[in-house]
Amino acid sequence: DIVMTQSPLSLPVTPGEPASISCRSSQSLLHSNGYNSLDWYLQKPGQSPHLLIYLASNRASGVPDRFSGSGSGTDFTLKISRVEAEDVGVYYCMQGQQTPITFGQGARLEIK
Amino acid sequence: QLQLQESGPGLVKASETLSLTCTVSGDSISSSRYYSGWIRQPPGKGLEWIGTIYYSGSTDYNPSLKSRVTISVDTSKNQFSLKLSSVTAADTAVYYCVSGMATISGARTFDYWGQGTLVTVSS
Repeated sequence: DIVMTQSPLSLPVTPGEPASISCRSSQSLLHSNGYNSLDWYLQKPGQSPHLLIYLASNRASGVPDRFSGSGSGTDFTLKISRVEAEDVGVYYCMQGQQTPITFGQGARLEIK
Repeated sequence: QLQLQESGPGLVKASETLSLTCTVSGDSISSSRYYSGWIRQPPGKGLEWIGTIYYSGSTDYNPSLKSRVTISVDTSKNQFSLKLSSVTAADTAVYYCVSGMATISGARTFDYWGQGTLVTVSS
């Protein structure tokens, strides 16, 4: 199985400040077609997760442009340029390169 | 744009079979555009992929659950379902039905999620 490791697992951030979450995979997620099978999901308190970023760097529909994803191979990063109060929750990275599909442990963003 | 809604018993006895249904609206699940599946989340813990069913009818299951899991589709009702047999307390979790749009990238992204349903396994 591909192991997904996120850091940090807890992220206290002041509103208006940037935030960054790292996700590393135990195997490369770069497909032969050039795509990285890495997605980011946000689970807000009391809600189901929703898609933020797909294929490592593509924002899902309706996702604010303060969210961006980057990386390739085994190292990926989710960045929030200016954190807002509504961004609180747990962020998960997920690999779809091979089954079983696996998730990172989750990184909890809280507002200072 | 799909909307997904889980339904099924919230309480299942140990050793019995957990059965959940996901009703899809907004488009036809039989469209070759979609794949569907289930993900679960034990209370206070992270996400675990259970399995996915594709337009072709083929399935992928998590090896840790494969011997106990069946995912199937009922295109006439625009629903797909999950059966998990021989449940134990460790299967207590919020179960989410999910779907994604098939693309040339071959990605397994889950674009759509249901609200989730808590299933508790009682002894």
